[in-house]
Amino acid sequence: AQSVTQLGSHVSVSEGALVLLRCNYSSSVPPYLFWYVQYPNQGLQLLLKYTTGATLVKGINGFEAEFKKSETSFHLTKPSAHMSDAAEYFCAVSSYSGGYQKVTFGTGTKLQVIP
Amino acid sequence: DVKVTQSSRYLVKRTGEKVFLECVQDMDHENMFWYRQDPGLGLRLIYFSYDVKMKEKGDIPEGYSVSREKKERFSLILESASTNQTSMYLCASSLEGLGHGNTGELFFGEGSRLTVL
Repeated sequence: AQSVTQLGSHVSVSEGALVLLRCNYSSSVPPYLFWYVQYPNQGLQLLLKYTTGATLVKGINGFEAEFKKSETSFHLTKPSAHMSDAAEYFCAVSSYSGGYQKVTFGTGTKLQVIP
Repeated sequence: DVKVTQSSRYLVKRTGEKVFLECVQDMDHENMFWYRQDPGLGLRLIYFSYDVKMKEKGDIPEGYSVSREKKERFSLILESASTNQTSMYLCASSLEGLGHGNTGELFFGEGSRLTVL
């Protein structure tokens, strides 16, 4: 069984401050890890993903995440928050089990950016 | 550009009504999914399909059924809507199998917000 834990359902940062959204996962097989972003009244879109290789992954809009196997973490960061970053962020783990793709999502973190 | 289209963005139905939510993807993806999204609970998988006419239960299938008669179309059916099915419903698709550049990335539609009165 696999699971994802996102610490903090709401995070507030000041514009220009560091953004750090935490994600820990558990998986019995090597996972693929994702961060998705959801803007109000929209579907989810991919922010970045880790598959294999380099553990520091860069995504869109200046976000990046680092896969740390020893800590089973995949935290999302951005050096300087922008007002347009206000959204809900979901961490997800994907693996194949029994011939089927299994994707498990965290419960999401709403990011508020304060001017 | 890849696209997953959900036919209705907003629906209001009455308790006991039959509800159809339609989803169409134009990426020739084998896998299609229906999720339900509720505040504080994240996304929960209702059903998924890995091929035409094939379906598998997800984590919360009770009260729902699905239909996949064509590869590009995956429908979610609420046989008798109840107030506890008021939610945001998200359809997604992905390629089948590992490798060949497939990482399990999901492509989502815009969502269908259903209110059951």
